[in-house]
Amino acid sequence: DGGITQSPKYLFRKEGQNVTLSCEQNLNHDAMYWYRQDPGQGLRLIYYSQIVNDFQKGDIAEGYSVSREKKESFPLTVTSAQKNPTAFYLCASSPGDKTYEQYFGPGTRLTVT
Amino acid sequence: GQSLEQPSEVTAVEGAIVQINCTYQTSGFYGLSWYQQHDGGAPTFLSYNALDGLEETGRFSSFLSRSDSYGYLLLQELQMKDSASYFCAVRDRNSGGYQKVTFGTGTKLQVIP
Repeated sequence: DGGITQSPKYLFRKEGQNVTLSCEQNLNHDAMYWYRQDPGQGLRLIYYSQIVNDFQKGDIAEGYSVSREKKESFPLTVTSAQKNPTAFYLCASSPGDKTYEQYFGPGTRLTVT
Repeated sequence: GQSLEQPSEVTAVEGAIVQINCTYQTSGFYGLSWYQQHDGGAPTFLSYNALDGLEETGRFSSFLSRSDSYGYLLLQELQMKDSASYFCAVRDRNSGGYQKVTFGTGTKLQVIP
């Protein structure tokens, strides 16, 4: 089955620790995205990548980092510099010419205490 | 910058019709997408309008007026399972020439018996 996987579904970390969220897709999509969603809020774009080895900052990139070494994978690192990291993180992908049609993974709910 | 406005909540009766509006302000506009998200779940793509007019997909239709910077999602024959949040999202181009999608804050639809 084609799709996007994110793991784990729930993640708990202590303040001051970096944490990496995984995102893998087997849809052969060129573009991949990371969003953050807070309770009752919309999706805010953290980073996006349209091709391997290239990525762009979104609207709230501070305190986050990404890499895109393989087409299938787009991991997100939440660093200790992110002031309020507790949130629901969603990864998505889309065909390169259809950025408007994004397919989302199930999300990772990160809690930092 | 970009901005999107949609109502935060809408309540409608099972079997009825409901319209969720979205107004946007952006430069380099390509089109408007709609996504559905059930509580705790991932967003799923519903529709995309690049040109003015109405696009119909089963019980859901989406409309765009580029001159008015306005669109709406129309849900007919409402079912209880339609209770969810609905997000409009603009596809545009940033200052670096990269296409990106910006989501609105979402409209929570409650369908009542």
